[in-house]
Amino acid sequence: KNEVEQSPQNLTAQEGEFITINCSYSVGISALHWLQQHPGGGIVSLFMLSSGKKKHGRLIATINIQEKHSSLHITASHPRDSAVYICAVRSYNAGNMLTFGGGTRLMVKP
Amino acid sequence: DTEVTQTPKHLVMGMTNKKSLKCEQHMGHRAMYWYKQKAKKPPELMFVYSYEKLSINESVPSRFSPECPNSSLLNLHLHALQPEDSALYLCASSQDAGGAYEQYFGPGTRLTVT
Repeated sequence: KNEVEQSPQNLTAQEGEFITINCSYSVGISALHWLQQHPGGGIVSLFMLSSGKKKHGRLIATINIQEKHSSLHITASHPRDSAVYICAVRSYNAGNMLTFGGGTRLMVKP
Repeated sequence: DTEVTQTPKHLVMGMTNKKSLKCEQHMGHRAMYWYKQKAKKPPELMFVYSYEKLSINESVPSRFSPECPNSSLLNLHLHALQPEDSALYLCASSQDAGGAYEQYFGPGTRLTVT
């Protein structure tokens, strides 16, 4: 079992829909990151969380430390949100290096 | 300036060639990282430099040779690569390797080994 699991693996939505991507982890962490990668492109850091909730524009990230679970929400989705969203944790097991989930491939159709 | 730059963007090399990938940041970060990413897979950590010293080598074959000439610059020297080494190579930096600091990623170099 991977230490970081994301669901769903693939997601197709219509423009304007509310989107949720989930991340569960099984290790002790110092922080959780949500990253975005467009096809063929580099990675952009969206959020770094250690507790609670963060919001940036149409993106909201939450984390529940007790349940070892985080969610990334996209409100009023747009085709430009189409990308791979990656959850990564900084775990004590891994010497504070990032352990990545498998990614969620999101396509938003107009 | 919150940018990590990487050159070249694309590289095609033969198995007998020697080439280098370059990564640069001017954020004053003291930790720099090389990752390898195959298609539809998450990045895999290769090397970590902390304060210009190699602190982590994730059992990477010696045909990959990292170098950190100064705190802003990170190179990855490539020699005698195999076709299976074709991938996107990502550089990242963070304020420090030990704490929960945000990592800033570069756009990557897409490497094809023929």
